[in-house]
Amino acid sequence: EAQVTQNPRYLITVTGKKLTVTCSQNMNHEYMSWYRQDPGLGLRQIYYSMNVEVTDKGDVPEGYKVSRKEKRNFPLILESPSPNQTSLYFCASSPRTGPTYEQYFGPGTRLTVT
Amino acid sequence: QKEVEQNSGPLSVPEGAIASLNCTYSDRGSQSFFWYRQYSGKSPELIMFIYSNGDKEDGRFTAQLNKASQYVSLLIRDSQPSDSATYLCAVKRGNQGGKLIFGQGTELSVKP
Repeated sequence: EAQVTQNPRYLITVTGKKLTVTCSQNMNHEYMSWYRQDPGLGLRQIYYSMNVEVTDKGDVPEGYKVSRKEKRNFPLILESPSPNQTSLYFCASSPRTGPTYEQYFGPGTRLTVT
Repeated sequence: QKEVEQNSGPLSVPEGAIASLNCTYSDRGSQSFFWYRQYSGKSPELIMFIYSNGDKEDGRFTAQLNKASQYVSLLIRDSQPSDSATYLCAVKRGNQGGKLIFGQGTELSVKP
């Protein structure tokens, strides 16, 4: 089944404890992206990758890191999480970057930082 | 001004009615427009996309695009309670690769 997977789905952690949220897609998509979704603010892009070893900042990159060593994986790293990073996170992928290509979303990761 | 704007709602319609969801965008360089549906706590799923002026129909859904007025709308005919969700409008610019810019979403409630 073609899909984007994320792990973990739910995570409660404490301030300053490094964590990684994994994202993997099995559709050989070139483009991958991370979003966070907060009430009243909608979906905001954190980082994106147009291909292996090519990553760039989105609109809200502060406090996050990413890497794209393989085409299928795009992990999101929080080196020192803070309470303001409590949010619902989505990974998405797209075959290409052209205007007619949709993005497919993973199931989401609900992160709580205390 | 937000780049993509939607009324947050909630928009309430009776079962069987037409639900009309609207979205305006500020960048005239925007090339393609997507409507996603998101159930509470779930991930967005694509309903339709449109990139040419006019209407595009898919089953009970019709997307309408007017680039001169910079708005895109989604009509849902014969609304069902299962259509109750938040509808997200998203826009792609031509010069920003794959980046999607989302509106805040409109919450739709279809009453039986």
